[in-house]
Amino acid sequence: AQTVTQSQPEMSVQEAETVTLSCTYDTSESDYYLFWYKQPPSRQMILVIRQEAYKQQNATENRFSVNFQKAAKSFSLKISDSQLGDAAMYFCAYSSGANSKLTFGKGITLSVRP
Amino acid sequence: DVKVTQSSRYLVKRTGEKVFLECVQDMDHENMFWYRQDPGLGLRLIYFSYDVKMKEKGDIPEGYSVSREKKERFSLILESASTNQTSMYLCATRLGQTEAFFGQGTRLTVV
Repeated sequence: AQTVTQSQPEMSVQEAETVTLSCTYDTSESDYYLFWYKQPPSRQMILVIRQEAYKQQNATENRFSVNFQKAAKSFSLKISDSQLGDAAMYFCAYSSGANSKLTFGKGITLSVRP
Repeated sequence: DVKVTQSSRYLVKRTGEKVFLECVQDMDHENMFWYRQDPGLGLRLIYFSYDVKMKEKGDIPEGYSVSREKKERFSLILESASTNQTSMYLCATRLGQTEAFFGQGTRLTVV
């Protein structure tokens, strides 16, 4: 079974600084997708970024980028120029190419210091 | 915009009651999911459905059942609510391998 591990329960970053959130996963499949989701205090989960395993290029969305290391099964999220609105829980998620089931990590709480 | 609507934001039920959590989506997605979210445990999959009347157990199905009679609606049923089912419940929908869309969650308290 696939597993997703987020080993850091909490992190803190100074406003305008850069922070990296770690995620590792375990799979024997070659076709899969990886995601980072954000859950602010409002509880509404929203997609931050998506990476297809077959793509070597790391995904980027404005201030958010990933470092996808397929051999190491690592998928970290980098947030540049952190803003107060980035404070939230962040979840890493895995989806096999064979079905649509999403497996989530335990999440990390990010706080942003003004 | 995709809309995923969960019937209640907060719910308080008594032990032993039968509880229905409803989820409705408006985007014709074939896949629908029910997750449970607990502090320190992340999101754990209870059940998912990939088509009408089709369902598959997730990682923690014990004590729950589901119903999907129409494509847009996916119901989670707690046959006999217990205090250890106090949690946040999240519904999600997904089209193939695209992003999943989530409802706002139902915080269920069983007393």
